[in-house]
Amino acid sequence: AQSVAQPEDQVNVAEGNPLTVKCTYSVSGNPYLFWYVQYPNRGLQFLLKYITGDNLVKGSYGFEAEFNKSQTSFHLKKPSALVSDSALYFCAVRDNVNTDKLIFGTGTRLQVFP
Amino acid sequence: GAGVSQTPSNKVTEKGKYVELRCDPISGHTALYWYRQSLGQGPEFLIYFQGTGAADDSGLPNDRFFAVRPEGSVSTLKIQRTERGDSAVYLCASSLGTWPDTQYFGPGTRLTVL
Repeated sequence: AQSVAQPEDQVNVAEGNPLTVKCTYSVSGNPYLFWYVQYPNRGLQFLLKYITGDNLVKGSYGFEAEFNKSQTSFHLKKPSALVSDSALYFCAVRDNVNTDKLIFGTGTRLQVFP
Repeated sequence: GAGVSQTPSNKVTEKGKYVELRCDPISGHTALYWYRQSLGQGPEFLIYFQGTGAADDSGLPNDRFFAVRPEGSVSTLKIQRTERGDSAVYLCASSLGTWPDTQYFGPGTRLTVL
């Protein structure tokens, strides 16, 4: 079955420090991977996606993600965290069997402390 | 430009009642998706429209749930005989409909069934 795992319910980081939010996936065929962010009482906002090509994908708000095929991972990263980055982050993979729908992980809450 | 909009933002109803949730996609987006997000979980796929037709409704939990998109733009998710377990945030997303496109989400409708 196709799936996404976010092993950490919460990640805490001090402002100015680098952050990593982990994601691993299991898919049939080529993986198409996404990161979304959700602020309180708001919908999901698209951050970035990996389709093909360069393993390091750059996205909105200074975020980037590294695709690693051998480890089936797509970790979200940012060199210097901001307090305003505190939110709920979701990793998702495109369903290659029943096309176009996204399969989401359970989310990781990022807390950036001043 | 205008994003995906959803109305109402909140809906409280009693068990057994009928509800309708509306989604207005981004102009020009031919693909429209409904997801359901329960507390502490990632969004789960319900149904996908390409134009006016439901291309994939495999995520609808049972026959109490139905969705339409009669003119290929606005969509309505309809829930009959609501149950307390239907309480969740219902998210709508739209995309251009040509892969590799990105799904853009609305703010969601929080449904509470008493």
